[in-house]
Amino acid sequence: DTGVSQNPRHKITKRGQNVTFRCDPISEHNRLYWYRQTLGQGPEFLTYFQNEAQLEKSRLLSDRFSAERPKGSFSTLEIQRTEQGDSAMYLCASSLGAAARGTQYFGPGTRLLVL
Amino acid sequence: QQQVKQSPQSLIVQKGGISIINCAYENTAFDYFPWYQQFPGKGPALLIAIRPDVSEKKEGRFTISFNKSAKQFSLHIMDSQPGDSATYFCAASQNQGGKLIFGQGTELSVKP
Repeated sequence: DTGVSQNPRHKITKRGQNVTFRCDPISEHNRLYWYRQTLGQGPEFLTYFQNEAQLEKSRLLSDRFSAERPKGSFSTLEIQRTEQGDSAMYLCASSLGAAARGTQYFGPGTRLLVL
Repeated sequence: QQQVKQSPQSLIVQKGGISIINCAYENTAFDYFPWYQQFPGKGPALLIAIRPDVSEKKEGRFTISFNKSAKQFSLHIMDSQPGDSATYFCAASQNQGGKLIFGQGTELSVKP
């Protein structure tokens, strides 16, 4: 069990550029979640998938954000036309869903800095 | 109604002491209440979790107390150690595996 992995771990970009993050969940976990965490705050929910279906999206997820999980395994989160307010830690978590009654395991996160 | 309120924001405890962090919620549909520990630059790590059908759960030095009628739950860390110094988050979810709603976090510092 290698845990949830995220790449890259750090990303520095200029305002207006597009960025893409990848999350590899724990194998056999059918649910995958994205959260955003700013300094001094708790993680905020963005979206989650069950297998390849995107089941819920937060209103925090503006139309500049898109997430995919094409084959029900890894997931990508893309931010288009980045803004300085997008600077945050982006966290991915996975779980067995209802079978595990909610236990989510988090990855190390991708820290994004928009200049 | 979706909020989880956590207090205190920061806590300083002497080594060997008891650390207590409190959380309150409004949504009675929440059915799962985990606590996460987070070190700087790392992702949150699950510490302990409880469901509303029990009033207390203990794992080692960590205990969750749950008061369903008051819609409150708390984390007790017994015999606190300097290695426990971290930020602690309470959270809640519903529908057995939905999104987690996190509290604002408590930065714990255990002094030697």
